[in-house]
Amino acid sequence: QLQLQESGPGLVKPSETLSLTCTVSGGSSSSSSYYWGWIRQPPGKGLEWIGSIFHSGSTYYNPSLKSRVTTSVDTSRNQFSLRLSSVSAADTAVYYCARCLVKADAFDVWGQGTMVTVSS
Amino acid sequence: DIQLTQSPSFLSASVGDRVTITCRASQGISSYLAWYQQKPGKAPKLLIYAASTLQGGVPSRFSGSGSGTEFTLTISSLQPEDFATYYCQQLYTYPITFGQGTRLELK
Repeated sequence: QLQLQESGPGLVKPSETLSLTCTVSGGSSSSSSYYWGWIRQPPGKGLEWIGSIFHSGSTYYNPSLKSRVTTSVDTSRNQFSLRLSSVSAADTAVYYCARCLVKADAFDVWGQGTMVTVSS
Repeated sequence: DIQLTQSPSFLSASVGDRVTITCRASQGISSYLAWYQQKPGKAPKLLIYAASTLQGGVPSRFSGSGSGTEFTLTISSLQPEDFATYYCQQLYTYPITFGQGTRLELK
């Protein structure tokens, strides 16, 4: 059964770059049947899609974050990554990685989430 | 961007009740709508995709319907484990968007 696990610093300073990695276990990070996404949730608030990346390397980003977001896939390590630059307190959130099934157009497998706080 | 508006935002109900949550899209999204359940401190869980297809392992008391701009999630008989927050999500077009959530609480 495919599982996802986010990893990365829990504390990032303002103006610096947030970097997270999602490790895929129990399956492959390279398949045409699904692709990967990043979603975040500020404390006490709703879900916000950050971006999606296909195994081919194609990407789609939320326009509100596009200028600061970069995602990548490392199929050799079965990992995919998120970088968010020039962070501020507004970027404080739980960050989730998730798998999006092509046939469902929905995120069917999620990581447990990792809390990232932006503070000096 | 396509806006998804859920109603109600808060819902108080009892075990055994039938409840319905509505999700309205700002423009037509065919059937490209999913529903998620989220419990405190946990990741969202996919319940329904393609507006009405039940995800594997999800109890049959959950059902979804709708197309175009109006969708509903129905729980036919609430169980104690169903008290949570529910979100709709569209993937008709990018950017992917979520509704603001409906918090279902025990009366």
